[in-house]
Amino acid sequence: GAGVSQTPSNKVTEKGKYVELRCDPISGHTALYWYRQSLGQGPEFLIYFQGTGAADDSGLPNDRFFAVRPEGSVSTLKIQRTERGDSAVYLCASSSYVNNEQFFGPGTRLTVL
Amino acid sequence: EDQVTQSPEALRLQEGESSSLNCSYTVSGLRGLFWYRQDPGKGPEFLFTLYSAGEEKEKERLKATLTKKESFLHITAPKPEDSATYLCAVATGGGNKLTFGTGTQLKVEL
Repeated sequence: GAGVSQTPSNKVTEKGKYVELRCDPISGHTALYWYRQSLGQGPEFLIYFQGTGAADDSGLPNDRFFAVRPEGSVSTLKIQRTERGDSAVYLCASSSYVNNEQFFGPGTRLTVL
Repeated sequence: EDQVTQSPEALRLQEGESSSLNCSYTVSGLRGLFWYRQDPGKGPEFLFTLYSAGEEKEKERLKATLTKKESFLHITAPKPEDSATYLCAVATGGGNKLTFGTGTQLKVEL
């Protein structure tokens, strides 16, 4: 079956602009996660959804970052007033309610100039 | 604060030369330890989950083991296609947030 998909695969933007990153989880997976990975580092947790609600957003670095999952499937990560330090690969993962085995998408590489 | 430390940072092996990667952790209430493989430019690929000390899991040339303080990923007779970065992560508390180590970059040469 289809895995987790993310669009776009690459996004280049200018400092101060607004960006949206999309994640389409594995069909039937109720949990969805966003992580951020910088070069040479492991993924860093941002936010976790169970269904439509954000169950844990403790990893969002500041109020410029926001994520939604209005229908309990597709999720969008929104970043306002982008800064050069936001440049990273943004990874999305999903898991079923049965266990916490998280399956990752290919990521969106965000570059802020 | 949960911490995960992986060693070595990089490892170069000859084809067929078995070795082990280490993941040591300090957490309050382990809800699972995860191993992932990550190829350049791709997302992490799930390998194993271990839940309790003494547990072992195998897949092809890989075997993961868990103690109360660390996990090992044993690679037996590796091939060049095993070259990748191997990531270790722990789930704690509610069990949903993963805390990752920085990974071990493995290169297997002919």
